[in-house]
Amino acid sequence: QVQLQQSRAEVRKPGASVKVSCRTSGYTFSFYHLHWVRQAAGQGLEWMGWINSNTGGAKYAQKFQGRVTMTMDTASNVAYMELSGLRSDDTAVYFCARIWSLKYFDFWGHGTRVVVSS
Amino acid sequence: DIQLTQSPSSVSASVGDKVTITCRASQSISDLLAWYQQKPGQAPKLLIYAASTLQVGVPSRFSGSGSGTDFILSINSLQPEDFATYFCQQADSFPFTFGQGTEVDV
Repeated sequence: QVQLQQSRAEVRKPGASVKVSCRTSGYTFSFYHLHWVRQAAGQGLEWMGWINSNTGGAKYAQKFQGRVTMTMDTASNVAYMELSGLRSDDTAVYFCARIWSLKYFDFWGHGTRVVVSS
Repeated sequence: DIQLTQSPSSVSASVGDKVTITCRASQSISDLLAWYQQKPGQAPKLLIYAASTLQVGVPSRFSGSGSGTDFILSINSLQPEDFATYFCQQADSFPFTFGQGTEVDV
């Protein structure tokens, strides 16, 4: 069955970076692109960007341009999202999500909580 | 960016009730809209895509309608497991955006 297994929770100080992983299984990695969405506590869902699972090319929401980098390791079917210059308002749960038909998120990781605090 | 506005932000209901949630887009998105259900501590779950198509495995008491800018999610005969927060998402253009959510509680 399709699974997206994310890395464990992280705590970082302001200004630091964090790298979250999303290990996929149960399907052919290159057939579906992966997106990243975050959610602050009690808040809505915020789309961050996506990575093309064929080419490795990535596209980011303007809000995160210059601070986010999405990469992948096709040998191990893992996608990564690295966010730098962390601020307290980056405290959130970060989800990876598989996109189906290039439009809809049919499978999600369980989420990785990132806390930014001094 | 396309803005999605959901209403109401919360609704109180009882088991057996019918619940209706609306999602309005700031510009026409054809039928490129999905609905997700999210329970506390869990990831969102895809319920409906292309505005009205039920995802495999989703109970038929869920239904979606609409096109252009106005969309509706209906839940007929609410069940205990349906108490959750519901989000709409537009897939017309990047950046993908979500509505702010509607909490369905007792």
